[in-house]
Amino acid sequence: DAGVIQSPRHEVTEMGQEVTLRCKPISGHNSLFWYRQTMMRGLELLIYFNNNVPIDDSGMPEDRFSAKMPNASFSTLKIQPSEPRDSAVYFCASSFRRGEETQYFGPGTRLLVL
Amino acid sequence: GENVEQHPSTLSVQEGDSAVIKCTYSDSASNYFPWYKQELGKGPQLIIDIRSNVGEKKDQRIAVTLNKTAKHFSLHITETQPEDSAVYFCAASPNFGNEKLTFGTGTRLTIIP
Repeated sequence: DAGVIQSPRHEVTEMGQEVTLRCKPISGHNSLFWYRQTMMRGLELLIYFNNNVPIDDSGMPEDRFSAKMPNASFSTLKIQPSEPRDSAVYFCASSFRRGEETQYFGPGTRLLVL
Repeated sequence: GENVEQHPSTLSVQEGDSAVIKCTYSDSASNYFPWYKQELGKGPQLIIDIRSNVGEKKDQRIAVTLNKTAKHFSLHITETQPEDSAVYFCAASPNFGNEKLTFGTGTRLTIIP
């Protein structure tokens, strides 16, 4: 079985540019989570969806960040405009509610904003 | 909201010895406590978890204990091996793994051959 798939794996962009991170959850999973990992703040939950509906976006840092889940097999996290302080590793994870509750993490997208 | 504290931040042990990592949490509503292992350049992977109705759980060389009264839980790795070197994170959630996990700050474990 393919695990959680994230793309791109690495992204280098200039300040002010739009960045779109993509995630494909494990087939059959109905919860999807976006995390950010930095040395200073560790692993932080940004937003999570259940059945494609955003449930908790209290971790989204500011209006420059937005996330969508148009269907059960795809989600995006967009940063517009990007800033150097957004540099981090962004992880997507998925789980199956009312089943095996384990959150499975993708390999992450390493973002560098210059 | 939930706050999870993890200690130590770094830990070095001789190969074959045991390693213990401890976490405390603040929200008494939390009832699911997973442990994740993160290797360099990879995403965190679940290694063991425990629910609030259980005090201890073992899986080969790994065990987790939970003290709900004291709000702390610990990871125990016995007979450590070089491949156990990684960063370990504890986490807590109010509703198993289906909702938000609050992570500890991580422990970098180094196994000395």
